[in-house]
Amino acid sequence: AQSVTQPDIHITVSEGASLELRCNYSYGATPYLFWYVQSPGQGLQLLLKYFSGDTLVQGIKGFEAEFKRSQSSFNLRKPSVHWSDAAEYFCAVGARAGGYQLTFGKGTKLSVIP
Amino acid sequence: NAGVTQTPKFQVLKTGQSMTLQCAQDMNHNSMYWYRQDPGMGLRLIYYSASEGTTDKGEVPNGYNVSRLNKREFSLRLESAAPSQTSVYFCASNGGLTGDNEQFFGPGTRLTVL
Repeated sequence: AQSVTQPDIHITVSEGASLELRCNYSYGATPYLFWYVQSPGQGLQLLLKYFSGDTLVQGIKGFEAEFKRSQSSFNLRKPSVHWSDAAEYFCAVGARAGGYQLTFGKGTKLSVIP
Repeated sequence: NAGVTQTPKFQVLKTGQSMTLQCAQDMNHNSMYWYRQDPGMGLRLIYYSASEGTTDKGEVPNGYNVSRLNKREFSLRLESAAPSQTSVYFCASNGGLTGDNEQFFGPGTRLTVL
């Protein structure tokens, strides 16, 4: 069974600073990997996804993530954080059996200091 | 194109009451999912339906039942609500057996059981 670990429960950064959110996964085959963002009181929105090919993937809102098979990681990065990026971020790994189920990490809450 | 819709948005129940959460998608997706979200726990899969006519248990199915009414609709029923079922419930869908792996989420139902 697959699993996802997001080691940081809460991160605080200053506006304009760079950001890296960590994600480690466990999966027995080539993973499908996702990052979702959830603003307070809202549903989840996809930021980016990795299926195959280039290990550096670009997403919406200026985010990118790099798949590193050797480290079982899929860390999310942004070079300059905006106050509107304050939200909770979820990493997920997808299985192919049974209709592409996703297993989610427990999330990292991002706070942005003006 | 409304995407994934959920009703109701909010609900308060007393212990022992029953209710059904409704979910519909208009993206012609094969697979649909029900998750619950609790603070610090991420999203946990309750039940899923890989395709019309099939349903399967996820990680936390106890106390719930589901019905895949047709390709568009997937309902979640609480037969006898308990305070432990206080949570935010999200419905999601994706192409599943064919098509994109990305899951699209509804806005959520916030349920309180007293």
